[in-house]
Amino acid sequence: AQKITQTQPGMFVQEKEAVTLDCTYDTSDPSYGLFWYKQPSSGEMIFLIYQGSYDQQNATEGRYSLNFQKARKSANLVISASQLGDSAMYFCAMRELTGTASKLTFGTGTRLQVTL
Amino acid sequence: KAGVTQTPRYLIKTRGQQVTLSCSPISGHRSVSWYQQTPGQGLQFLFEYFSETQRNKGNFPGRFSGRQFSNSRSEMNVSTLELGDSALYLCASSLDPPGTGASNEQFFGPGTRLTVL
Repeated sequence: AQKITQTQPGMFVQEKEAVTLDCTYDTSDPSYGLFWYKQPSSGEMIFLIYQGSYDQQNATEGRYSLNFQKARKSANLVISASQLGDSAMYFCAMRELTGTASKLTFGTGTRLQVTL
Repeated sequence: KAGVTQTPRYLIKTRGQQVTLSCSPISGHRSVSWYQQTPGQGLQFLFEYFSETQRNKGNFPGRFSGRQFSNSRSEMNVSTLELGDSALYLCASSLDPPGTGASNEQFFGPGTRLTVL
């Protein structure tokens, strides 16, 4: 069964610094996608970045990059130049791509607090 | 392009009642999934609908049900509410069949926060 593990319940980072949020996963499907979502206190899940299991390069989206290490089954999110607005819950999620089901499996999340 | 909309945003019910939540996906999206988020259990998959058919179901009791209409709008129903059903219910829509890259993404709505007293 697919599983996502986020071992950091909470993280602090100073404004303008970079921060890495950890995510490890487990799946037997050779084809899968990894996602990071941001959830502010309002509740909506905001898509940040995606990495496919067959992608050769690490995904980047603006200040977000995904450090994908397939052999270690890790997909860490790196946020560069943190901003106060980055304070939120961050969830790592995975979708197995064999077949057509859209189910996402989520980790328990990391609460990021950006300080002055 | 309008995002995923969910109604109502907030709901208060009492034990034993039933509730219906609604989700309108992004125009053109045909797959709708529902998730329950609680402090104790985190985010859990409820079910997924495509072309008015349930394709995938999570590990929830039969009190939780859903359906999808021909315009892809979806509703979920919870009967005989229990205190433990208090949660944020999130709906997500996606293109189907799965493509590559970010087209696998599921776009989430703002959620319906259900409180059961």
